Amino acid sequence: DAGITQSPRHKVTETGTPVTLRCHQTENHRYMYWYRQDPGHGLRLIHYSYGVKDTDKGEVSDGYSVSRSKTEDFLLTLESATSSQTSVYFCAISSPPGNNLANYGYTFGSGTRLTVV
Amino acid sequence: AQTVTQSQPEMSVQEAETVTLSCTYDTSESDYYLFWYKQPPSRQMILVIRQEAYKQQNATENRFSVNFQKAAKSFSLKISDSQLGDAAMYFCAYRSSGGSNYKLTFGKGTLLTVNP
Repeated sequence: DAGITQSPRHKVTETGTPVTLRCHQTENHRYMYWYRQDPGHGLRLIHYSYGVKDTDKGEVSDGYSVSRSKTEDFLLTLESATSSQTSVYFCAISSPPGNNLANYGYTFGSGTRLTVV
Repeated sequence: AQTVTQSQPEMSVQEAETVTLSCTYDTSESDYYLFWYKQPPSRQMILVIRQEAYKQQNATENRFSVNFQKAAKSFSLKISDSQLGDAAMYFCAYRSSGGSNYKLTFGKGTLLTVNP
């Protein structure tokens, strides 16, 4: 979606290596989120950020860390990739509900398909 | 914590027919938002329709409408005049009105097949 980009779009990595996924937004939204999508599980929240240097854990945060040094960038790091982290990763941005109803939901990036071999 | 349940892992419909996808949720809050997202094979997440819990009127967007039953905590999606392009994974999602950093909680999804 325009205004939010994820990189890379695909990645294959080896077990035990560190991996960093990048989410970049141009919307100046305060809130950013990382989700993973797996068959039979829907989307599950990994970590989220509510401001620069303000982050918190989601429901599946083990093995992941995040950083947000500026408003537009939110990085997700797999410290030591495992096969169980093979997944599709989505970044999303949001603003608090306001006059613009479109902000009541999220805007998603195009996703990163990560394969750990 | 809120939970969202989609009890139909897969559904199918004939082109031009109507199909209803089910979603139930559990919450102790009185004010919240509900969403249906569509994910076609391209993987892009597309907002289909949203409902504010304080509104009694069911939301409608062209061929898509919802049946929102607040007391029953039910939020089903009806697709009328189904088209081949409606084939996708559909996710129901819940969002608090505030105090939770606006996190979305998703159901596990329903894969919709449209038969020509």
